[in-house]
Amino acid sequence: GAVVSQHPSRVICKSGTSVKIECRSLDFQATTMFWYRQFPKQSLMLMATSNEGSKATYEQGVEKDKFLINHASLTLSTLTVTSAHPEDSSFYICSARVGFGGYTFGSGTRLTVV
Amino acid sequence: AQKVTQAQTEISVVEKEDVTLDCVYETRDTTYYLFWYKQPPSGELVFLIRRNSFDEQNEISGRYSWNFQKSTSSFNFTITASQVVDSAVYFCALSEARTGGGNKLTFGTGTQLKVEL
Repeated sequence: GAVVSQHPSRVICKSGTSVKIECRSLDFQATTMFWYRQFPKQSLMLMATSNEGSKATYEQGVEKDKFLINHASLTLSTLTVTSAHPEDSSFYICSARVGFGGYTFGSGTRLTVV
Repeated sequence: AQKVTQAQTEISVVEKEDVTLDCVYETRDTTYYLFWYKQPPSGELVFLIRRNSFDEQNEISGRYSWNFQKSTSSFNFTITASQVVDSAVYFCALSEARTGGGNKLTFGTGTQLKVEL
């Protein structure tokens, strides 16, 4: 089946630094990738939708300059949290559309900013 | 706009009990997909089922069953003879079924299921 590999699974960074999270589609081409954020004991909130070769579409309230999304190829999408602060600590998870009406998820990245 | 409501924040049952997780959705689309996902403590999302809006047949898969009622906009999930390994957060989700990409998933707030011995 379609697999999305997400790395790193956990990362701890210092406040003010940037962190890059990668999602790779291993056996299919991911035209569209979704990025979600999940705070403890809360639901998954869509941050942005990225389409290969074009700019990402961000949801209302998500800072484009803080959460940089790049989807330069059909197999790789990245999310960079720039100038991270403790309030950015969260669980980030990517998802790719598969076929018509299907989705596959990465295993998630737990970001802790200290 | 799409909306998914899971009114049950947390449910605790004793092993072997049956438990039903409720999901009510709102959408203006006539064509859409409904999903259930399981999220264990490790965080990854485990796909359980996808149902399109034209298929109202109930489904059973082992101890799991789903009841889709379009008339009440509900897509409830029942676990029969629950086990400790069923303990997790369960999310109901909805997506539009339009062509051309996009089609984001909207998640409910999740139900934490605790199955105790």
